[in-house]
Amino acid sequence: DTGVSQDPRHKITKRGQNVTFRCDPISEHNRLYWYRQTLGQGPEFLTYFQNEAQLEKSRLLSDRFSAERPKGSFSTLEIQRTEQGDSAMYLCASSKTSALRAYEQYFGPGTRLTVT
Amino acid sequence: SQQGEEDPQALSIQEGENATMNCSYKTSINNLQWYRQNSGRGLVHLILIRSNEREKHSGRLRVTLDTSKKSSSLLITASRAADTASYFCATDGEIQGAQKLVFGQGTRLTINP
Repeated sequence: DTGVSQDPRHKITKRGQNVTFRCDPISEHNRLYWYRQTLGQGPEFLTYFQNEAQLEKSRLLSDRFSAERPKGSFSTLEIQRTEQGDSAMYLCASSKTSALRAYEQYFGPGTRLTVT
Repeated sequence: SQQGEEDPQALSIQEGENATMNCSYKTSINNLQWYRQNSGRGLVHLILIRSNEREKHSGRLRVTLDTSKKSSSLLITASRAADTASYFCATDGEIQGAQKLVFGQGTRLTINP
């Protein structure tokens, strides 16, 4: 257990439905990241927050995807009008930040999304 | 898109043997990290090596970094059945930026008892 939690762990939904995932980072970490991982591949960066500000979004994040981190604590990732290609493991990670050094990222267990 | 490639894609060895995995990447980096992932689970951070470091140790793990060849290796000594997992290298090219990690495709390691 890394201290990062995600909910739900599994989600099965029908194509066209909306889904929302939640991530609770380690409390003192001000950076929060979302990644997507498909079977047999490494995770791919989607977006990240520093405190409550969303500072970068990948081109992978279509306009059907939206992420928030109100009050700089937990984060939610919503996918609207899901498509079968959205089926993947969605991973959340958190880290400290410093201008002087890089910190390791701590990953949650992931939310596995299956779109039928 | 993936930054680099791990080699081999799959590795199967006997318990007690050493396992070596290699990672190559394409662009300049600030640091390189190795992660382990058990089947269907999240990633666990193993070790971080900065671009000005050449070798780092942590328990049974030894990581090397050759920035001139844009490559890194992870050595697990005296392997155990519990080491069975996928291993990913991840690079961070940002100096003072997002520290968004770019992962390779991973090496699936199987330790046979």
